[in-house]
Amino acid sequence: GAVVSQHPSRVICKSGTSVKIECRSLDFQATTMFWYRQFPKKSLMLMATSNEGSKATYEQGVEKDKFLINHASLTLSTLTVTSAHPEDSSFYICSAPGTSGSSYEQYFGPGTRLTVT
Amino acid sequence: GENVEQHPSTLSVQEGDSAVIKCTYSDSASNYFPWYKQELGKRPQLIIDIRSNVGEKKDQRIAVTLNKTAKHFSLHITETQPEDSAVYFCASLLYTGRRALTFGSGTRLQVQP
Repeated sequence: GAVVSQHPSRVICKSGTSVKIECRSLDFQATTMFWYRQFPKKSLMLMATSNEGSKATYEQGVEKDKFLINHASLTLSTLTVTSAHPEDSSFYICSAPGTSGSSYEQYFGPGTRLTVT
Repeated sequence: GENVEQHPSTLSVQEGDSAVIKCTYSDSASNYFPWYKQELGKRPQLIIDIRSNVGEKKDQRIAVTLNKTAKHFSLHITETQPEDSAVYFCASLLYTGRRALTFGSGTRLQVQP
C-alpha cells in the first residue's frame, strides 16, 4: 500500500518558538493532504486540508496564522506551529487519500508528538 | 457537516467473547465507512472498511455491518484476544478524493485474559 512519512516523530520546544512538521507521500502523489490533531484519550480532529499549489482550507476554530500549512509539491506538505504554547502540545497526524480509483482508503503518517515546555 | 457518534466509550470483555462497537452518522450522502485500531502513540491502522453499496463485510474475526436507512454501522470482533486491546475509531466519508474522514469519539476495548 501507499506510504506516508512524517518528520520529526517527536519534538520538544520552548514556549514562543516555532516548529515545522513534514508530511511526505513516499510512493504516490498527493494533491491533497489532511492534518489532524489528537489530544490524549481523544479522537482525531481535522485541522485543515492542504492543497498542492493553493491555500489550505482550515476548519472552524483553527487559527490559520498560527498553524501555517504549505503544500509546495505533490509529495510534501508542511505544518508549522508558530509561537507555540503548552496548550499546543498534542499528537499531530497527517493523511493522504490514495490514488487508486478502486480504493477509498486514506493513508496516515506515523504522527508527530509535540511537547511545548 | 458530517457528525459521527460512537458507543460505547469503553468496553471490557473476556478473552474469547465477542465485542460490538456501534456508530451512527448524520450525512446520508456518506459512502465510505472505515474502522481503525489505534495503539498508544501510533497511527490509526485500518482494520476493515465498507462502502455504502454493501451491507456486510467480513475478514476472519472482524466484520462490519451497515444499515443505510438507519445511518448506522457496527464493528463485530469475535473470539477476542488480549492483543485486540486498543482504541477503535469508526469514521465516515463522502469520497471525492479531496475530503477528510470524520471520526467517531473512539472506544477503548480491553480484553481480559
